[in-house]
Amino acid sequence: AQTVTQSQPEMSVQEAETVTLSCTYDTSESDYYLFWYKQPPSRQMILVIRQEAYKQQNATENRFSVNFQKAAKSFSLKISDSQLGDAAMYFCAYSSNAGGTSYGKLTFGQGTILTVHP
Amino acid sequence: DGGITQSPKYLFRKEGQNVTLSCEQNLNHDAMYWYRQDPGQGLRLIYYSQIVNDFQKGDIAEGYSVSREKKESFPLTVTSAQKNPTAFYLCASRGRDRRQPQHFGDGTRLSIL
Repeated sequence: AQTVTQSQPEMSVQEAETVTLSCTYDTSESDYYLFWYKQPPSRQMILVIRQEAYKQQNATENRFSVNFQKAAKSFSLKISDSQLGDAAMYFCAYSSNAGGTSYGKLTFGQGTILTVHP
Repeated sequence: DGGITQSPKYLFRKEGQNVTLSCEQNLNHDAMYWYRQDPGQGLRLIYYSQIVNDFQKGDIAEGYSVSREKKESFPLTVTSAQKNPTAFYLCASRGRDRRQPQHFGDGTRLSIL
């Protein structure tokens, strides 16, 4: 079974600075997807960024980028120019691209609470 | 607008009572999922369904039941066998394209009276 680990329960950053959230995962599969979701106090789950394992290029979405290290099974999220609205719980998640009934399920890490200081 | 609607937003359960959480989507998605979130924790998969009239147990299915009679609807019943049901429940859906992420509803908060 796949596991996802976020080793930083809490992180903080000054507004306009850069912060990196860590995520490692364990899998024996070679084809999968990785996601970062944001959960603000409203508790909505908002997709931040997505990475396909067979793509070597790191995904980027505006101020959000990832550092995907497939061999090390590491998938960190970098937030540049942090804004007050970035304050939330961030979850790393894994989804298998294998066939059968298992695909599409998300396995989540424990989450990292990000605080942004003005 | 297309999306996922969960109701009610808040729900209270008495001891020995079954309660049902509603999840409806108008995204024409085939797959639907139920997750449970405990305070300060990540989401854990309860049940999922990839097509109508078929569903699979997730990691923590004990004490829960589901049905998938219509593509748009995937209700979750929390039975009296679930001894610790207090949690936040999130429903999600996804289309056939595996590259697409799951879309989430706004959740239901279930508490014990």
